[in-house]
Amino acid sequence: GQNIDQPTEMTATEGAIVQINCTYQTSGFNGLFWYQQHAGEAPTFLSYNVLDGLEEKGRFSSFLSRSKGYSYLLLKELQMKDSASYLCAVRPLLGSARQLTFGSGTQLTVLP
Amino acid sequence: DVKVTQSSRYLVKRTGEKVFLECVQDMDHENMFWYRQDPGLGLRLIYFSYDVKMKEKGDIPEGYSVSREKKERFSLILESASTNQTSMYLCASSRGADGYTFGSGTRLTVV
Repeated sequence: GQNIDQPTEMTATEGAIVQINCTYQTSGFNGLFWYQQHAGEAPTFLSYNVLDGLEEKGRFSSFLSRSKGYSYLLLKELQMKDSASYLCAVRPLLGSARQLTFGSGTQLTVLP
Repeated sequence: DVKVTQSSRYLVKRTGEKVFLECVQDMDHENMFWYRQDPGLGLRLIYFSYDVKMKEKGDIPEGYSVSREKKERFSLILESASTNQTSMYLCASSRGADGYTFGSGTRLTVV
């Protein structure tokens, strides 16, 4: 089975840096995704990690440690528009399934 | 601009009604998925499909069925709607092992 944990809520200040953690326990692993979801809207893709290490994309970075079953999403220079829910999702082994299992999401509030 | 389109943004149905939620994608993706999203529970997989006329149960298929007669269309059917099926329903599609593209969602209320 799959179990994915991430904090329910986080608050940070505009211009600051915030790190959203995600831990997972899965029967197999073939990649971890981060999605952003604004209230009332569809989730949109942010990042994908399949190998250990840091992937940087502008103000957003994502890190993966497969041995620890751990990932984080790092948001720099926070803006008000970054207030959203951030979803961590894991894909099991390639060939056995293509579906993603999602965590419950972390609601980030950015304060002025 | 590639899209996953869900036919309704908001729906209100009565208990016992048969409900159809439609999803269409224009990206020629072979994989399509239906999730429901509830506060505190995140996205839970209902059904998915890897090909036309093919379907597989997800984690919470009870009370639902699906239809995929054409590659671009994946329909979710609530055979007899109940109040505990009030939720946000999200359709997604993907190619191979790529990530998902989501539709805008259908907020269904069953009264």
